[in-house]
Amino acid sequence: SQQGEEDPQALSIQEGENATMNCSYKTSINNLQWYRQNSGRGLVHLILIRSNEREKHSGRLRVTLDTSKKSSSLLITASRAADTASYFCATVSLTSGGSYIPTFGRGTSLIVHP
Amino acid sequence: NAGVTQTPKFQVLKTGQSMTLQCAQDMNHNSMYWYRQDPGMGLRLIYYSASEGTTDKGEVPNGYNVSRLNKREFSLRLESAAPSQTSVYFCAQGAGGLAGVGTDTQYFGPGTRLTVL
Repeated sequence: SQQGEEDPQALSIQEGENATMNCSYKTSINNLQWYRQNSGRGLVHLILIRSNEREKHSGRLRVTLDTSKKSSSLLITASRAADTASYFCATVSLTSGGSYIPTFGRGTSLIVHP
Repeated sequence: NAGVTQTPKFQVLKTGQSMTLQCAQDMNHNSMYWYRQDPGMGLRLIYYSASEGTTDKGEVPNGYNVSRLNKREFSLRLESAAPSQTSVYFCAQGAGGLAGVGTDTQYFGPGTRLTVL
């Protein structure tokens, strides 16, 4: 079962616009991570935000985390055609076996039109 | 996908055949993972290995076995392939983080596209 669920499932914007994707989850987490996947490729890590952090930035990326609402958002500012990809959130939580395991959502498919 | 290699890149099997997917990492990380990705399902964890010599089940382990051969290599075996195992398989590695497996960044391989007829 997916712990994190991204919203929207698909997003289509023009180059230069901002893109916002959301991730909701159900149980307490140690950290939440965002990944990008280009078509036919593996996933690439973007940002990790820990449960005691509220916001992180990396270049044109901004991630927020609201543990009270169990949600996170990924904002890509001034989008480029090269940002076209699928974006996944992964929530990392403690299992009953004592390990921290990442659980991925179904992803948001972003298309940026030139 | 630098740091994680997967072989083969593509494979077609008939129902009942067996095969082993190979994964190797060159970043000297402790943790390694096997995921499958199906359309509309995101990634689901099959097995993981927190360190050399240990393996644990993930969300969807049925029909699979794994071997952590050494720190570099983590293989996934399908003993009797079924059409339901048609998927894209990703291997990943991670340092393990201070709190243990899965708390830090994961580095993914390019994937193996498997079709079971």
